[in-house]
Amino acid sequence: QKEVEQNSGPLSVPEGAIASLNCTYSDRGSQSFFWYRQYSGKSPELIMFIYSNGDKEDGRFTAQLNKASQYVSLLIRDSQPSDSATYLCAAIRGSAGGTSYGKLTFGQGTILTVHP
Amino acid sequence: NAGVMQNPRHLVRRRGQEARLRCSPMKGHSHVYWYRQLPEEGLKFMVYLQKENIIDESGMPKERFSAEFPKEGPSILRIQQVVRGDSAAYFCASSPGQLKQPQHFGDGTRLSIL
Repeated sequence: QKEVEQNSGPLSVPEGAIASLNCTYSDRGSQSFFWYRQYSGKSPELIMFIYSNGDKEDGRFTAQLNKASQYVSLLIRDSQPSDSATYLCAAIRGSAGGTSYGKLTFGQGTILTVHP
Repeated sequence: NAGVMQNPRHLVRRRGQEARLRCSPMKGHSHVYWYRQLPEEGLKFMVYLQKENIIDESGMPKERFSAEFPKEGPSILRIQQVVRGDSAAYFCASSPGQLKQPQHFGDGTRLSIL
C-alpha cells in the first residue's frame, strides 16, 4: 500500500466547472498536508497546505482534511485552462520527541485537464 | 530573486563521470531537501539537511550518492560514477524548518546521462 495515494486521472473538466482532486494516506502519524501543482517540465509550485480537520479556502482553491478518514482533497472552483497540470498531494509525518520530520511523501499525482 | 536557486538547470554527463548539483535555499531558510523525479514517476525524497548536518538520508541510494550543506555556500548533491538510471530531474526544496511550514521548490536540475 502506498503511503499517499491519488487517482492518476486524467481528470477532465469543462472551463468554469469545479475540479475535485482526492488523496488518501496510510500513515496516521501524518500531520501536515500539501497540494502542489506541476506543469509539464517545471518544478512543483505550492498551492495550499492544511493541518487541521475541516476546510481551508484561498481564492478559487479549497483544501479539505479529514484525519479520521485519512483523506485530503482539493477543490478548484471556476476551473480555467491554465489550471491544466499535474496536482501532487504530499504529507509530512508528525514529530516524535520534539524532532520535526521534514520529509515530504508524495502521491503519484493527478493529471487535470480543463477544456474550453 | 529570493527563491530557491538551483544550478545548473541542465547537466549532461557520460557514464562513469561525476555530477554535482547545487542548491541555495530561500533567504531565511535553513533546511534543505533533495528530491528526485524519474521519468513518468512521482517525486521521491532523497535527503534532508541543515547547515553542516544530515538529518534524514533514508531516501539516498547507499552507493555513489552523497549530499552536504556546508556552513558557507550552497548545498551540494554529488553523484559519482553516474549510470543511465540516474537520468532524472533533481529538485531542491527549502523551508524555515518548522513542522507546519511549507517547502518551496527550486526549478530543478535535469540530469542526462549519455
